[in-house]
Amino acid sequence: AQSVTQLDSQVPVFEEAPVELRCNYSSSVSVYLFWYVQYPNQGLQLLLKYLSGSTLVKGINGFEAEFNKSQTSFHLRKPSVHISDTAEYFCAVSDAGASGGSYIPTFGRGTSLIVHP
Amino acid sequence: EAGVAQSPRYKIIEKRQSVAFWCNPISGHATLYWYQQILGQGPKLLIQFQNNGVVDDSQLPKDRFSAERLKGVDSTLKIQPAKLEDSAVYLCASSFSYEQYFGPGTRLTVT
Repeated sequence: AQSVTQLDSQVPVFEEAPVELRCNYSSSVSVYLFWYVQYPNQGLQLLLKYLSGSTLVKGINGFEAEFNKSQTSFHLRKPSVHISDTAEYFCAVSDAGASGGSYIPTFGRGTSLIVHP
Repeated sequence: EAGVAQSPRYKIIEKRQSVAFWCNPISGHATLYWYQQILGQGPKLLIQFQNNGVVDDSQLPKDRFSAERLKGVDSTLKIQPAKLEDSAVYLCASSFSYEQYFGPGTRLTVT
């Protein structure tokens, strides 16, 4: 079984400043890793995913994340945030060995990114 | 392509009443998920379907929750009777492979 820890429940930041949202996971098997964004009153939208290959993953809206196997981390970063990035961000992990039908991700509790003008 | 559709978007009921949520996944997506998202928490899987069969319902409170996916397309999640602690957003998601696509959710308030 996997678990995900998002270390910060809330991250306030000023517009145009850089931001890092932290995610650590635990698993006894190889994993796939995901970051989702949830805007108010909406469902989750995939920002980026790590399946294999390069450990630096680029996603939509200028976000990127780096997979660090030794530290079991998958932190999300953006060099310059906008007001519109204010949202809830969820890190998720799944078993890389699962077949498509049994792929079940485990989600973290979420980090609320609050961008101030 | 059309996204995952859910209805209703909002529902307010009294405790001990019944409620049903509907989900229509993206066409061609064999896997369908129902999640419960309590305020301030991440989504918690309630049930996963592969076509019209259940893959995992280990976290579904079966004494009051039920779900079905007839014909392997759309799905219904029912709560009967509802409790105050069932107040949450119920998210439906579908997938073809590893990436999940989420609907907008149904916000349930139990008073």
